[in-house]
Amino acid sequence: GAGVSQSPSNKVTEKGKDVELRCDPISGHTALYWYRQSLGQGLEFLIYFQGNSAPDKSGLPSDRFSAERTGGSVSTLTIQRTQQEDSAVYLCASSLSGQVLSNQPQHFGDGTRLSIL
Amino acid sequence: DAKTTQPPSMDCAEGRAANLPCNHSTISGNEYVYWYRQIHSQGPQYIIHGLKNNETNEMASLIITEDRKSSTLILPHATLRDTAVYYCIVRERKAAGNKLTFGGGTRVLVKP
Repeated sequence: GAGVSQSPSNKVTEKGKDVELRCDPISGHTALYWYRQSLGQGLEFLIYFQGNSAPDKSGLPSDRFSAERTGGSVSTLTIQRTQQEDSAVYLCASSLSGQVLSNQPQHFGDGTRLSIL
Repeated sequence: DAKTTQPPSMDCAEGRAANLPCNHSTISGNEYVYWYRQIHSQGPQYIIHGLKNNETNEMASLIITEDRKSSTLILPHATLRDTAVYYCIVRERKAAGNKLTFGGGTRVLVKP
């Protein structure tokens, strides 16, 4: 079946520009996560959506970052006024449930490689 | 949150079994052990998870010790495409949602 799809796969933009990254989760998955991974580093949690609940935005590094999830499916991550330190691979993951006591694994897309010049 | 400790790297011969160890001595009763891998330029790939019983799927087997303080991921017949960084994770039990935190992982190189 179709996995998590992210677009674009690569994005190069100038400092100060806004960028929008898209994630199509696996059909039926209610939980959606955004992470970023800098070169050679581990995962950094950004934001989490679960069904119709208010998202957990605790990982967003600044107010330049925002995300939305429309209709409980597709999600977009927006970075305004990009900075060079925003350069990273932005990964999206989805799972059947994000409930704390659930053991459902997260399935990842291949990410968007963002480069800020 | 329970921490995990993995060897930084290991080599494996193609066609042989690869046994990847992970220590998680502070794991608590409701925490699951998950294994993911990340092949260069790809997103992390879920492999397997377990609570206390040994688990097997089409990709691998997971052996968890009786005291749950360590586990071993077994790739039964390693291929060159199994070259990747393998992450052992114990899922946070208090965070809202299942935020994943990857440690350093084990860089596995499968050699012909």
